[in-house]
Amino acid sequence: ETGVTQSPTHLIKTRGQQVTLRCSSQSGHNTVSWYQQALGQGPQFIFQYYREEENGRGNFPPRFSGLQFPNYSSELNVNALELDDSALYLCASSPTAPSYNEQFFGPGTRLTVL
Amino acid sequence: AQKITQTQPGMFVQEKEAVTLDCTYDTSDQSYGLFWYKQPSSGEMIFLIYQGSYDEQNATEGRYSLNFQKARKSANLVISASQLGDSAMYFCAMKGNTPLVFGKGTRLSVIA
Repeated sequence: ETGVTQSPTHLIKTRGQQVTLRCSSQSGHNTVSWYQQALGQGPQFIFQYYREEENGRGNFPPRFSGLQFPNYSSELNVNALELDDSALYLCASSPTAPSYNEQFFGPGTRLTVL
Repeated sequence: AQKITQTQPGMFVQEKEAVTLDCTYDTSDQSYGLFWYKQPSSGEMIFLIYQGSYDEQNATEGRYSLNFQKARKSANLVISASQLGDSAMYFCAMKGNTPLVFGKGTRLSVIA
């Protein structure tokens, strides 16, 4: 059983560009959540996808968008990058929504915006 | 709104000693869950332990135990017999009718 994987590991972009981050959920998991973790902070919830539909969103602007595919993998897209978007982006999958104690995190993608 | 407070930015503990990491929470939800995660320098969040708001007994998972005091709204993590590999960031989080809300974390350093 493979765990949650994310790509790329690191990414450097310039302000105004667009970026796509990818996440493959753990086998059998149909729910994916994305979090942003700024330096020195705890993760903040961006949004969640359940069976290809957005199922909850945190306090992030519309330029943060996502997709979930039939195989339950997911993408996070960020348009018009700003310097404050520099962070570790974490993806987590769980078998059902909501599930209290079965959310498994990937290793994250570290995004740097210059 | 839900809020998690971790008041210890950093903690030091001697190897083989026990250490308590503090966590207080605020919520108006009647049913909620409390979590602790470990984040090594690699970045991955590793689930350690879970406590449900209606669980009467404190949760334990190996060397980890959660000291749950509902009236005080606290959910402290106790790590017994600390090991060098326990050095990491530790996050307390809760989930009620909202997705996971995390605290700012405590950096634990285990000294040989």
